[in-house]
Formats: sequence, C-alpha cells, structure tokens
Amino acid sequence: DTGVSQDPRHKITKRGQNVTFRCDPISEHNRLYWYRQTLGQGPEFLTYFQNEAQLEKSRLLSDRFSAERPKGSFSTLEIQRTEQGDSAMYLCASSLRVKRGFTEAFFGQGTRLTVV
Amino acid sequence: DAKTTQPNSMESNEEEPVHLPCNHSTISGTDYIHWYRQLPSQGPEYVIHGLTSNVNNRMASLAIAEDRKSSTLILHRATLRDAAVYYCILRDLRGNQFYFGTGTSLTVIP
Repeated sequence: DTGVSQDPRHKITKRGQNVTFRCDPISEHNRLYWYRQTLGQGPEFLTYFQNEAQLEKSRLLSDRFSAERPKGSFSTLEIQRTEQGDSAMYLCASSLRVKRGFTEAFFGQGTRLTVV
Repeated sequence: DAKTTQPNSMESNEEEPVHLPCNHSTISGTDYIHWYRQLPSQGPEYVIHGLTSNVNNRMASLAIAEDRKSSTLILHRATLRDAAVYYCILRDLRGNQFYFGTGTSLTVIP
C-alpha cells in the first residue's frame, strides 16, 4: 500500500455543476479526514469519519457538501451546484488506531478543483 | 480554531540549522504537538511529534518547553528540498479533528 490516494488530481467544472471526489485511505486506517485548502492558507477541516460513521462536520460544510464512507474504506466528497468560491485543493488524510491513540495522519496529494 | 501561532516566514542558508518556533499557550495535558510540512502542490507530510520530552528522528528534532506552551522544530542542516510551509498542530490521543494555522513558509537560500 503506497499511501492515501485521491482521484481525480485535477477537476475543472462549470459553475452549477455537481462534482464528486474519491479518497482511498491507507488500508485498515480507521480515521479518514477531509480538508480544504485555498491559496496561501493552511488546510481547513471539513469532516472526518471513524470507519463508516461521520463523527463531525465543520460549519464550513454547507448543505451543498456531502461526504460518505459507505463501507469504512474509501470515501467520497460531493459538492452540488458548485460555486466559484468552492475552487480549492481538497485534501484527504487517514490515520490508524493503535494501542495509545492514533498514528500520525497521512495525507493524499489532493484534488484541485477549479470552478469556472 | 487553530490553537498554535507561528511566524509567517523564515529564511535560512543552505546547510545551516533552522529553528522554527511555535506557541501553543492553551495546550491541554492530552495534546500532542505535531509538525507537518507541505511542499508546493503536495499534501502535508508528517515530520515529527512529541508530548513532553524532546524527540529526534531522521528528518528533524523537536524541542518542547518545560511548560509545554511552546516548541521548536529543528532542522539540523537545511537543504533546498526543505523549502516548504511548516505547520505546528495540536492533536489529542483520541484522533479527533485537528486544525492547521497558516504555518511558517521556510525559504532556503543556496
């Protein structure tokens, strides 16, 4: 297993269209996180999962955003009716529960979304 | 939501040591101090973490103040490949969400 994989790497879409991103975490990692990053800023937390359960959603995650992790493995992040303000890098990370807590988070290379 | 503060930018000459500071005055007893770095057009990459004692690994050293309200990431010999944004993050044992600040952009001068 080579790490967290995100697909696609780049997406250009027209305003108003729906987009879906996929994240494949490292095998057996229980926790999966989604972040969004705009130019010059640090990543902003969006949501995270413990296996298939979505534990927390940021207030940044409007009702146009939905995330799932149906079988506790890969996850999808969907944005409906995209707006230009949604243009950003969307990052996925995963970590593994160990005896004393969780391992460090491993990040994917991200999906860069451009809304035109 | 970020609980850490870092300088926006720092510069270092190649092959010299770099000390990147971070303040986290509201740290709780269960928070670990994590450092990540992000190269251009890539996702963040784990560097090191610690709780109370200083830590060393192949990438860097982490020096933690006795009161745990600040820490310093030490790169012993900066290379051009160390040019990145470095983030200091607090993360608890429960693996909950964690928050990034704006980080420190490190420039390495040849």
